Amino acid sequence: QQQVKQSPQSLIVQKGGISIINCAYENTAFDYFPWYQQFPGKGPALLIAIRPDVSEKKEGRFTISFNKSAKQFSLHIMDSQPGDSATYFCAASLNSGYALNFGKGTSLLVTP
Amino acid sequence: DAGITQSPRHKVTETGTPVTLRCHQTENHRYMYWYRQDPGHGLRLIHYSYGVKDTDKGEVSDGYSVSRSKTEDFLLTLESATSSQTSVYFCAITPDSNTGELFFGEGSRLTVL
Repeated sequence: QQQVKQSPQSLIVQKGGISIINCAYENTAFDYFPWYQQFPGKGPALLIAIRPDVSEKKEGRFTISFNKSAKQFSLHIMDSQPGDSATYFCAASLNSGYALNFGKGTSLLVTP
Repeated sequence: DAGITQSPRHKVTETGTPVTLRCHQTENHRYMYWYRQDPGHGLRLIHYSYGVKDTDKGEVSDGYSVSRSKTEDFLLTLESATSSQTSVYFCAITPDSNTGELFFGEGSRLTVL
């Protein structure tokens, strides 16, 4: 039973455009929602994370929007660049990152 | 980069043979994890450890065992490898400061023929 559902599976965006990846969760006890970025041949690396006491968090071109009532959160990449081409995973956990439950991932391709 | 080393990085083996993957950390972190990554399934937790000799199962633990006799080493063993265990295996560690961030190794690609 997958606890975090991620969409879309793949995404193609032109350079300068906005990339949007969505995730939904079922367990209302989750209290930590990170996004990880993975380049081919590498392990995932933390990109940005949010806790449910805020509705939005921005770090540079990356923004998490969080909707607690809908049990959804999303990643927005503004001014997408070819270097952003990677696989993105959303995740959720009960206790600040321990035993993360990951979504299935979104393969993002940013075309020049 | 977090001090995580996985070995071997690549391995090809035959069905029915035992396989051990090693994760070594130089950070002295308490928590260590093994995940597997498969197309269409994302990252799934196999086992994790919260201290020396303290381990617990994740969502896909069947067919796997783990051991942690030292803080720095977390071993994942496939007692009798099957083709369904062909995957990329990632080790991860969490700082004791409870920042919530997992640091991943570079992965071990296992092919079971």
